Amino acid sequence: AQSVSQHNHHVILSEAASLELGCNYSYGGTVNLFWYVQYPGQHLQLLLKYFSGDPLVKGIKGFEAEFIKSKFSFNLRKPSVQWSDTAEYFCAVNPYSGGYQKVTFGTGTKLQVIP
Amino acid sequence: NAGVTQTPKFRVLKTGQSMTLLCAQDMNHEYMYWYRQDPGMGLRLIHYSVGEGTTAKGEVPDGYNVSRLKKQNFLLGLESAAPSQTSVYFCASSSNRLAGGETQYFGPGTRLLVL
Repeated sequence: AQSVSQHNHHVILSEAASLELGCNYSYGGTVNLFWYVQYPGQHLQLLLKYFSGDPLVKGIKGFEAEFIKSKFSFNLRKPSVQWSDTAEYFCAVNPYSGGYQKVTFGTGTKLQVIP
Repeated sequence: NAGVTQTPKFRVLKTGQSMTLLCAQDMNHEYMYWYRQDPGMGLRLIHYSVGEGTTAKGEVPDGYNVSRLKKQNFLLGLESAAPSQTSVYFCASSSNRLAGGETQYFGPGTRLLVL
């Protein structure tokens, strides 16, 4: 079964600082990868996803993530964070092997951006 | 479109009481899911459905039952609530898995407190 590790549980940054959140997964086959975001008091929404093709994926609000297959990683980055980026971020993996394969979520990283 | 809606938004139960959480989606999605979110544990899949009339167990199914009598609705039942079921419950839906890399669309969540 697949698993997802998010090593940073709580990150505190000042506005304009650069962000990188780590995500590693364990699964030997083809995968689809996602980053979801949950703003305070809101439901989860998709930030970006990797399905195939260019391993550098760009999402909403200036976020991007790079899929490095050899490292089983899908780290999330943003060059300059804003106070409005304060949220919890979840990495998720979905094996693609034909038939239904469930999505597994990481435990989440809480990002707090200080003005 | 309303997307994914959940009823109720908040509920307090006494140990041993039963209740049903309702999830509805208006996007004609085949797949629907119930997750629970607990601090430090991310999202864990309770049950899911790949189509009307079908359900399957997820990662933490014990103490819950589900039904998908209509394509747009997915009900989560607690027959005898326990304090360990205090959590935030999220419903999600996605389109046909065969296309790969489907985004899950989440509802606003239901906060359940079991005393």
